[in-house]
Amino acid sequence: GAVVSQHPSRVICKSGTSVKIECRSLDFQATTMFWYRQFPKQSLMLMATSNEGSKATYEQGVEKDKFLINHASLTLSTLTVTSAHPEDSSFYICSARSDSTQYFGPGTRLLVL
Amino acid sequence: EDKVVQSPLSLVVHEGDTVTLNCSYEVTNFRSLLWYKQEKKAPTFLFMLTSSGIEKKSGRLSSILDKKELFSILNITATQTGDSAIYLCAVCGGSNYKLTFGKGTLLTVNP
Repeated sequence: GAVVSQHPSRVICKSGTSVKIECRSLDFQATTMFWYRQFPKQSLMLMATSNEGSKATYEQGVEKDKFLINHASLTLSTLTVTSAHPEDSSFYICSARSDSTQYFGPGTRLLVL
Repeated sequence: EDKVVQSPLSLVVHEGDTVTLNCSYEVTNFRSLLWYKQEKKAPTFLFMLTSSGIEKKSGRLSSILDKKELFSILNITATQTGDSAIYLCAVCGGSNYKLTFGKGTLLTVNP
């Protein structure tokens, strides 16, 4: 149990375009999902907390207009990177909360050219 | 501000050795401490600890929490090359169940 999927696993896009990443909890319902970013050889950095049916809570320094989060159902949250720039290239990971444990998706590697 | 400190930051051992990874923390409204293993992709869940003194085991891996001294250890016995990974410790706290991660311990197991 407790499987979280993420799609796509890898995406390459041109600068200025928008990219949508989906995060799904496959066998449980998650009222809360989290979005992280990870740079090479660094730990995970929390970007935002996504609550089903309400607005996401963003961490300090994360632009909410650039990283749009939607949590429309108990099993799906999406992160849209708008007007992507090369510095947005990173590994984006979502997690879904089940009680006090978070289960992670496999991650999405984004490369912006 | 919640804080998680892992040590050592990196460790190189030979197959068959036993290793102990450390995690100390400071957190407001503690809910749980979690250990994850991260290889090339996203972290995979190992253990969740909520009570002091109760060891959790999974094969060659075990972990225990001390809520009085605010630390946890992760033990791996008879290490194998497949154990090579970054081991992340995270603490879940607060009303929104946020995880605060340590920087991780990079374990390398040589044949």
